[in-house]
Amino acid sequence: EVQLLESGGVLVQPGGSLRLSCAASGFTFSSHAMTWVRQAPGKGLDWVSLISGSGRSTYYADSVKGRFTISRDNSKNTLYLQMNSLRAEDTAIYYCAKAPTPDYYDSWGQGTLVTVSS
Amino acid sequence: EIVLTQSPDFQSVTPKEKVTITCRASQSIGTSLHWYQQKPDQSPKLLIKYASQSFSGVPSRFSGSGSGTDFTLTINSLESEDTATYYCHQSSSLPQTFGQGTKVEIK
Repeated sequence: EVQLLESGGVLVQPGGSLRLSCAASGFTFSSHAMTWVRQAPGKGLDWVSLISGSGRSTYYADSVKGRFTISRDNSKNTLYLQMNSLRAEDTAIYYCAKAPTPDYYDSWGQGTLVTVSS
Repeated sequence: EIVLTQSPDFQSVTPKEKVTITCRASQSIGTSLHWYQQKPDQSPKLLIKYASQSFSGVPSRFSGSGSGTDFTLTINSLESEDTATYYCHQSSSLPQTFGQGTKVEIK
């Protein structure tokens, strides 16, 4: 059974940094692209970033480019999102999801809440 | 950036009624369109991939159609457990984008 468990979400001040983790199990992690999608409170889904199975290719939404970095450690079956220069508008639940192809997401974690506020 | 516009934003329907949700893309995306269901306080779940391919384990009352710029998600014979928000998602070009969501409630 595929399991994705996000962690690292906390309350952080504007301008601060945070690293989210997503621990994966139940599938061959290195064979799949992975993604981060966020959801602001009461709002819709917002695509954040995508990384290839090898980790060599990464893609970002314009709103986070230059501030967020997606990475993965295939030896630890873990996906990361390094978030710098955080803004109030980054406040959201952050979901990691598995991508059998880079096109669609067939398994999602339960999400971790990031709150950016002073 | 490709903008996906869903209609309606909200729909209140009676059980066993047929539900149709549309998703229009701001430019042609072929069939690189996927549908997700998000129930209250839950993570999204994949329903349909590549416009019309049902995902494993999804009830047969859910179906998708369309190509190019116009897509449809149909729920035949709505059940109470289908109360949720439904999102379309395009992967034709980066950045990938989602529609704003359609909330479906049971009357």
